[in-house]
Amino acid sequence: KAGVTQTPRYLIKTRGQQVTLSCSPISGHRSVSWYQQTPGQGLQFLFEYFSETQRNKGNFPGRFSGRQFSNSRSEMNVSTLELGDSALYLCASSLGTIEQYFGPGTRLTVT
Amino acid sequence: DQQVKQNSPSLSVQEGRISILNCDYTNSMFDYFLWYKKYPAEGPTFLISISSIKDKNEDGRFTVFLNKSAKHLSLHIVPSQPGDSAVYFCAASPKYNNNDMRFGAGTRLTVKP
Repeated sequence: KAGVTQTPRYLIKTRGQQVTLSCSPISGHRSVSWYQQTPGQGLQFLFEYFSETQRNKGNFPGRFSGRQFSNSRSEMNVSTLELGDSALYLCASSLGTIEQYFGPGTRLTVT
Repeated sequence: DQQVKQNSPSLSVQEGRISILNCDYTNSMFDYFLWYKKYPAEGPTFLISISSIKDKNEDGRFTVFLNKSAKHLSLHIVPSQPGDSAVYFCAASPKYNNNDMRFGAGTRLTVKP
């Protein structure tokens, strides 16, 4: 079974731009979560989608948004990028239990 | 708010010895606890979990201990191997699902040959 895939793997953007990251979950997994990883902060929960519905959202500004499609693929969008948004963005898929399977992440650099 | 804390950013042990990674939490509503391992350029991979009704769970060389009264859990790796060198994240959830999981900042384990 193929694992979780994320595209692109690396991205460089300029302050003020917007970015869209994509995540394809493991086949059959209907839950997709997004996390931001920065040095010293660990993984910060952004949001979780299950069957196209956002079930929970972390403590991030409204510039961070996401969606999930009927095939369970998910996208995350960040608008008006700030330098502090530079991070590794991880996507994880799950059958809906606590066991999550992570993708390799998208490394976003904002200059 | 850091509800899950890993106070040691790094740990170095000799091959064959025991590695002990620690994690503290503040939210008494957490009922499920997990450890993930992360290698560079890869996403975290699930290692072992424990629910609040237990105080110990073993899986091969890996054992997780939970002390609910102290709000503390630890991961023991015995014996440690060089391939165990990675960043270890502690995570906690109030429910048996993934839509409110909190992670610690991670501990980088180095196992020296």
